[in-house]
Amino acid sequence: DAGVIQSPRHEVTEMGQEVTLRCKPISGHNSLFWYRQTMMRGLELLIYFNNNVPIDDSGMPEDRFSAKMPNASFSTLKIQPSEPRDSAVYFCASTQEREGTDTQYFGPGTRLTVL
Amino acid sequence: AQKVTQAQTEISVVEKEDVTLDCVYETRDTTYYLFWYKQPPSGELVFLIRRNSFDEQNEISGRYSWNFQKSTSSFNFTITASQVVDSAVYFCALSGGESNDYKLSFGAGTTVTVRA
Repeated sequence: DAGVIQSPRHEVTEMGQEVTLRCKPISGHNSLFWYRQTMMRGLELLIYFNNNVPIDDSGMPEDRFSAKMPNASFSTLKIQPSEPRDSAVYFCASTQEREGTDTQYFGPGTRLTVL
Repeated sequence: AQKVTQAQTEISVVEKEDVTLDCVYETRDTTYYLFWYKQPPSGELVFLIRRNSFDEQNEISGRYSWNFQKSTSSFNFTITASQVVDSAVYFCALSGGESNDYKLSFGAGTTVTVRA
């Protein structure tokens, strides 16, 4: 079975450019999460979708960040305009949420470098 | 607020030694879920084990075992007879319960290096 798929795996861009990260969750999963990993802050949740609806975006750093989930098999995280401090590894995770919580399965991550 | 503390920053062992990773958590919820994830040098996050707060039975799965003790809020993880492929960063995580069911709170991670 295919796991969570993320693209691109690596992205290098210049400050001010728009960056779009993509995620395909595991088929049948109804919840999707975007996390960011940095040396300073570790792993932190950015946004959580349930049944394609954003439930909690309190972790989104600022208005430069936006996320969408137009259907159950696709989500994007966009940064516009990008800044050097956005450099990090961005992970997408999905789960089949039943009663309470369930195990989140992570994609391979996108390593973003903003010059 | 939920908090996970992994006091060990780095552990270095020789192959075949056992490695025990410590994890201490804080939560006000009576129902919660604990996880261990592995992040090898390639960078992906791999799910290893999950334990529910209402089940304190400790188990062994292959070379992995875990010791969950609610009385001390600890969820320690042991790799028996370590191998070089076990070299990775290991994260303990907490979620669930009456508050923010979905959010995984991660510890800072413990870097394990297994030398041949």
